Amino acid sequence: EVQLAESGGGLVQPGGSLRLSCAASGFTFSDYDMNWLRQAPGKGLEWISHIGSSGATTYYADSVKGRFTISRDDAKNSLFLQMNSLRAEDTAVYYCARRGGSYLPFQHWGQGTLVSVSS
Amino acid sequence: EIVMTQSPATLSVSPGERATLSCRASQSISSALAWYQQKPGQAPRLLIYAASTRVTGIPVRFSGSGSGTEFTLTINSLQSEDFAVYYCLQYNKWPPSEFSFGQGTKLEIK
Repeated sequence: EVQLAESGGGLVQPGGSLRLSCAASGFTFSDYDMNWLRQAPGKGLEWISHIGSSGATTYYADSVKGRFTISRDDAKNSLFLQMNSLRAEDTAVYYCARRGGSYLPFQHWGQGTLVSVSS
Repeated sequence: EIVMTQSPATLSVSPGERATLSCRASQSISSALAWYQQKPGQAPRLLIYAASTRVTGIPVRFSGSGSGTEFTLTINSLQSEDFAVYYCLQYNKWPPSEFSFGQGTKLEIK
C-alpha cells in the first residue's frame, strides 16, 4: 500500500523559512516523480512543485518560484520542500502527492501538514 | 493557461437521489480530466481519471463522462458518505505547471 506522510509544518513569521518532509513507503520511491500541492484555508487545491524520478528535473508554480526548492533523497525514501521568504499567502495545508503513472493525475496523497505564516 | 470552471458552487441533494456535477475547460483537454472527493480535514481522494475511468475500489455509483471541454461527474443513489467537496483537475499538457484544478463543488445534504 502506498503511504505518504508529511511533517515539518508549523507557525513561522513572515520572511521566515521552513522545511517540509514527506516520508514515502509501499512503492519503489526512486521510480516515481513526486509533487507538492497546497490548500489555503477554505480554498481550493493548488499544485506548487514537481521533481522528476531522477531528481534532475524540477518545476514550480509562479507563486513560489525563486522562494521554494523541492528535493528528494531516494536512499531515505523522502521528499522535501525548502520554503524561504514565507508570506502570509503561503498559509496552507501542504500535501505531497504521487501520480498513478505517466500521463495520469495525482493519485496518492499524504494527510497534509499545516503551515501558518503570521507575526 | 487552461481555466477549469465547476458548477454549481453548491449542490443540495437528498440521500438516495442523483447528483450531477459539471466541469468546463476553457479549451479542449481531450479526456485528460480527473475528479477528486475531499471531506473536511482529509486529503483529496482520486475517484475518476481519463474522464470516465473509475479508480479501483471506487463504488460504481460514481461515474464520469465527457471529452473536449465539457465533463460531468454523476453520483447515483447518494449515500451519507458522499457529501463532500468535489474538484476536477485537467492534466492534458506537461509539465504539471500546465495542470489546473476547478474551484470545487460542495455537495450538501438537502
